[in-house]
Amino acid sequence: GENVEQHPSTLSVQEGDSAVIKCTYSDSASNYFPWYKQELGKGPQLIIDIRSNVGEKKDQRIAVTLNKTAKHFSLHITETQPEDSAVYFCAASRGGQNFVFGPGTRLSVLP
Amino acid sequence: DARVTQTPRHKVTEMGQEVTMRCQPILGHNTVFWYRQTMMQGLELLAYFRNRAPLDDSGMPKDRFSAEMPDATLATLKIQPSEPRDSAVYFCASGLHSGNPFFGPGTRLTVL
Repeated sequence: GENVEQHPSTLSVQEGDSAVIKCTYSDSASNYFPWYKQELGKGPQLIIDIRSNVGEKKDQRIAVTLNKTAKHFSLHITETQPEDSAVYFCAASRGGQNFVFGPGTRLSVLP
Repeated sequence: DARVTQTPRHKVTEMGQEVTMRCQPILGHNTVFWYRQTMMQGLELLAYFRNRAPLDDSGMPKDRFSAEMPDATLATLKIQPSEPRDSAVYFCASGLHSGNPFFGPGTRLTVL
């Protein structure tokens, strides 16, 4: 089955700096890769996603890149703000079936 | 503002008791997921349903866990008997076919 790894497990950045979180997946048939943000006491919320026919997608300060050959994808947050502090999860799915999540990255943005 | 609702939000019970968690998926969503989140294991898929039929429950301990969808507006997850190792946050999520899950706020379960 699919296995998703995520690095780093914790990340601290200064406000205004960029943050990058990387994930790798094992199943070459996976074709949909969402990213979720989980704030304390809440469920994970989708922030951006990318499909396997696209190499990069951007939404304001957030971007995701996908390298299908290497089977890895990354989340990039620019101009970080304190409200970006949360746990971020990547996930991989084959055709919307059986989403497998990475272990999460705890991001702290220091003022 | 469509969202997944879960009850109860918190549950403390003693070992051996039955626990029932309920979920109301977003209206119109035909897929319902149950996930369990712990510090050690992260987010684990327990089961998911499409059009109220169970598609995959391989992540669920069959001897004590059961998941059902009595109707399109209600999904339940039961644990009987509960054990301390079941302590976790249980998330329900719903979505459309081939779409990403929208998560509820979770039920935090503590089994003493």
